Amino acid sequence: KQEVTQIPAALSVPEGENLVLNCSFTDSAIYNLQWFRQDPGKGLTSLLLIQSSQREQTSGRLNASLDKSSGRSTLYIAASQPGDSATYLCAVSVATGTASKLTFGTGTRLQVTL
Amino acid sequence: DGGITQSPKYLFRKEGQNVTLSCEQNLNHDAMYWYRQDPGQGLRLIYYSQIVNDFQKGDIAEGYSVSREKKESFPLTVTSAQKNPTAFYLCASSTSGSYQPQHFGDGTRLSIL
Repeated sequence: KQEVTQIPAALSVPEGENLVLNCSFTDSAIYNLQWFRQDPGKGLTSLLLIQSSQREQTSGRLNASLDKSSGRSTLYIAASQPGDSATYLCAVSVATGTASKLTFGTGTRLQVTL
Repeated sequence: DGGITQSPKYLFRKEGQNVTLSCEQNLNHDAMYWYRQDPGQGLRLIYYSQIVNDFQKGDIAEGYSVSREKKESFPLTVTSAQKNPTAFYLCASSTSGSYQPQHFGDGTRLSIL
């Protein structure tokens, strides 16, 4: 059974700092890995999706890497801002017909302070 | 704007009562999903549907039921058999294909009176 772990569970950094969030998974037979952002009481916003054949994806100040063989992904946030404060979730996907089943980690709660 | 609409935002259930959560999408997505989120835990898959009139159980389907009569709609019923229904419920959708990202609604918070 696929298990996804995110470390750390919570993180507080001063504004402007670069930071790394970690995600590990136990079964490397995945189709893709997705990073999401969740604000309190809200749904999930997709940040980056890395296909299993890719090594990294970038969007603005965000960079996500994937090492499928070791079962690890990192989300790098450059020059953090207070607006980045949220919970960040990673999820790995396995195919099931034409749909995909996601297994989620428990998230990293990020607070960026002034 | 295209997106996923979940309603209501907050829902209260009495003991022994069934309640239905609505999920509508106008993204023309074939696949739709229901997840449950508990505090301090990741999302867990309840049910998913790949096409109209077809759906499969996820990891925690007991006490829940779904229907998929229209492509745009995937309602979830929380039955009285679900003994711990208090949670945040999230609906998602995606285009066909296992490589496609899932897009999420804003969720419904269900509480027991």
